[in-house]
Amino acid sequence: GQNIDQPTEMTATEGAIVQINCTYQTSGFNGLFWYQQHAGEAPTFLSYNVLDGLEEKGRFSSFLSRSKGYSYLLLKELQMKDSASYLCAVQTRMDSSYKLIFGSGTRLLVRP
Amino acid sequence: SAVISQKPSRDICQRGTSLTIQCQVDSQVTMMFWYRQQPGQSLTLIATANQGSEATYESGFVIDKFPISRPNLTFSTLTVSNMSPEDSSIYLCSVEGDGVTYEQYFGPGTRLTVT
Repeated sequence: GQNIDQPTEMTATEGAIVQINCTYQTSGFNGLFWYQQHAGEAPTFLSYNVLDGLEEKGRFSSFLSRSKGYSYLLLKELQMKDSASYLCAVQTRMDSSYKLIFGSGTRLLVRP
Repeated sequence: SAVISQKPSRDICQRGTSLTIQCQVDSQVTMMFWYRQQPGQSLTLIATANQGSEATYESGFVIDKFPISRPNLTFSTLTVSNMSPEDSSIYLCSVEGDGVTYEQYFGPGTRLTVT
């Protein structure tokens, strides 16, 4: 079956660094996405990993280890506006169709 | 990235009725997706809609309950039929980007409350 696990909630301090972990067990793995979702808004695309290693994009970085079924999202220099839910999503491929399977999301609270 | 709009943005409906949600994209796309996000939960894929073919439904979702239309490459509708309070949720449509990563972009969502 398909299974994606993330912590439910995390709290961090403004200016600090936080790492949000995601483990997955899926078939037809074709890549891993991270999305940010503020309350009442649609998810917005943050990052994509298909090969092992670290992808850096400004204050956000994402890491993938396919052999371990593991990814993390690293947020540096936290700002209050980073308080949001962070969704780990695995892209699977069956025949010629792609689809995203989402984890339950991690609610991040950034405190002053 | 594509610009996606949905109508209505929110609605309150009585049980037993049906609601059709519209999704409009500003560019032609092959794949459109419909998701449900129940209160406090993450996103669950309902179905994938390709133009000119029947939608493909995920386990737990059936066409009689969630009929989908895809008349052209920029538009799709999702109907929530014979609603019950358990259908209260946010319904989102999404499309794939045209890059090599196939990332999905989401519409603003339709917040449905069934009383």
